[in-house]
Amino acid sequence: SQQGEEDPQALSIQEGENATMNCSYKTSINNLQWYRQNSGRGLVHLILIRSNEREKHSGRLRVTLDTSKKSSSLLITASRAADTASYFCATDPHSGTYKYIFGTGTRLKVLA
Amino acid sequence: SQTIHQWPATLVQPVGSPLSLECTVEGTSNPNLYWYRQAAGRGLQLLFYSVGIGQISSEVPQNLSASRPQDRQFILSSKKLLLSDSGFYLCAWSLRDFGRGTGELFFGEGSRLTVL
Repeated sequence: SQQGEEDPQALSIQEGENATMNCSYKTSINNLQWYRQNSGRGLVHLILIRSNEREKHSGRLRVTLDTSKKSSSLLITASRAADTASYFCATDPHSGTYKYIFGTGTRLKVLA
Repeated sequence: SQTIHQWPATLVQPVGSPLSLECTVEGTSNPNLYWYRQAAGRGLQLLFYSVGIGQISSEVPQNLSASRPQDRQFILSSKKLLLSDSGFYLCAWSLRDFGRGTGELFFGEGSRLTVL
């Protein structure tokens, strides 16, 4: 079963705009990660936020985590055409197992 | 530095034929190893998970199997492929000891399987 569900499923924006993607999950977690996948390629890790953290930044990325609502958001600021990709959240629903479960993903298209 | 190799990159197989996808990791020891499958335009489905040689956890009952004959080698197999086995298969590894790493998953470039 899916642990994470991303919203929206698809997002199309203009270059320079901000893109926000949301992830909801069902059980308690140790941490939540965001990954990026270019079409036909493997996934690349973007950022990890631990359950005791509320916000984290990495370059143009900002991730928030609300454990009370079991949700996270990924914000990409000043988007570029090269940001066009699918973005997935991943959670570890079982303590210590590293058995990450991925959501369904958000397909982001940034128009130049 | 660590690298992960996955092959073949593309595979077209007839229904009922066998399958073998291989994944090897370099530059680390005792990794957790994973096989995921991704249907077209969909999320990732965890198929198998391994914490050590010969230790395989199956997440989805199906006609696929996995083996880990060496510490850094993970093989996905099938004796008889079904049409529904078509998809994009991704191998990944992570560090086992939480104290040594972030729990980040490192993915291979994937193997696209088409069953006809």
